[in-house]
Amino acid sequence: GESVGLHLPTLSVQEGDNSIINCAYSNSASDYFIWYKQESGKGPQFIIDIRSNMDKRQGQRVTVLLNKTVKHLSLQIAATQPGDSAVYFCAETPNTDKLIFGTGTRLQVFP
Amino acid sequence: DADVTQTPRNRITKTGKRIMLECSQTKGHDRMYWYRQDPGLGLQLIYYSFDVKDINKGEISDGYSVSRQAQAKFSLSLESAIPNQTALYFCATSDFGDEQFFGPGTRLTVL
Repeated sequence: GESVGLHLPTLSVQEGDNSIINCAYSNSASDYFIWYKQESGKGPQFIIDIRSNMDKRQGQRVTVLLNKTVKHLSLQIAATQPGDSAVYFCAETPNTDKLIFGTGTRLQVFP
Repeated sequence: DADVTQTPRNRITKTGKRIMLECSQTKGHDRMYWYRQDPGLGLQLIYYSFDVKDINKGEISDGYSVSRQAQAKFSLSLESAIPNQTALYFCATSDFGDEQFFGPGTRLTVL
């Protein structure tokens, strides 16, 4: 079946550096993508989304890039802070019914 | 997210027992979802509902049932709990085609 996956299960970065979390998706029909952040013991929290008619979208310290040609999604976090430590999930919507989540990438920020 | 609440937050039960997890939302969304998350993994969709009269199976519905009592309430039942249903359970809500808002989760342990 179709699936969303992540290249790196764990990413360690130094505080202040930029982080890049990658995601590969396989369903070319997907037209909506979301990045979620999940801190320990909490539910996933929306970070940023992007629709397939865009290739870049920026938020506060975060940028999502979408490359539909190679079915790749990335989340860039500028000036990574300790509070950014969490598991990050990408999710795609192949139709308007539901989201398909990837397995997640753990971001560890060290001083 | 305080707009989506789940009860109980933690539950320990024995094999064969019937368990109900409850979800309530104040966001006024029509769509509600139940997910399961196993340690170190992403979220798997159990059931979803687009309105009170609409219930749909997700990826892993076997062993689970749901009830949409009202627009704001969506409950998940395990008719006869088994140990491999030990997991974190999340409820989520959304508007049509938009991001999903997650509850804080219920940690279920089946002995």
